[in-house]
Amino acid sequence: EVQLVESGGGLVKPGGSLRLSCAASGFTFSNAWMSWVRQAPGKGLEWVGHIKTKDEDETIDYAAPVKGRVSISRDDSKNTVYLQMNSLKTEDTAVYFCTTFGDYYLFRVWGQGTTVTVSS
Amino acid sequence: QSVLTQPASASGTPGQRVTISCSGISSKIGSGYVYWYQQFPGTAPKLLIYRNDQQPSGVPDRFSGSKSGTSASLAISGLRSEDEADYYCAAWDDSLSGPVFGGGTKVTVL
Repeated sequence: EVQLVESGGGLVKPGGSLRLSCAASGFTFSNAWMSWVRQAPGKGLEWVGHIKTKDEDETIDYAAPVKGRVSISRDDSKNTVYLQMNSLKTEDTAVYFCTTFGDYYLFRVWGQGTTVTVSS
Repeated sequence: QSVLTQPASASGTPGQRVTISCSGISSKIGSGYVYWYQQFPGTAPKLLIYRNDQQPSGVPDRFSGSKSGTSASLAISGLRSEDEADYYCAAWDDSLSGPVFGGGTKVTVL
């Protein structure tokens, strides 16, 4: 069964940092582009960024609202993708979803999400 | 403010056909594909339509997608109570080097 499981969410103060993890199973992770999408409370979906495969030099792109404050990385030996978030703002409060990503299906498989709350 | 524009809400009675529109700047929808996602409260989105009008396996035939020029539509035929959910369109944005979403449409079955 194809599965993505996020972890690492929690409550953090403004200016703080947090690292989210997403463990993948049921497919060849090293061949998959991976993405993070977030959803603020009561709001719509927002792409955060994505990372391509090692064969594509792990090319990464980020959305403008988070660029310079977040970093996406992957460890193919652990079938895991990470989202390092720094200088967190209250507006970063959201459920963060890990997804597979590509130009055929766009976002095909989704994790259950992990909640990040930025508050003093 | 979302880059792609969807109506905030849509509704219908059981058995009716409901259509949700998605419009955007021509550089986004005009040249690329449109995708549709269904989301129930408290759960992750689910891919409903890819590449304008293709259905992943397991998606009922009641859901169909289309695209014409700078607009796209999702149609739900034979509306059922279990179709009550939020629906999002998405497309690739060359200027952002990333995908963008519509603001979402809440479908209510009356």
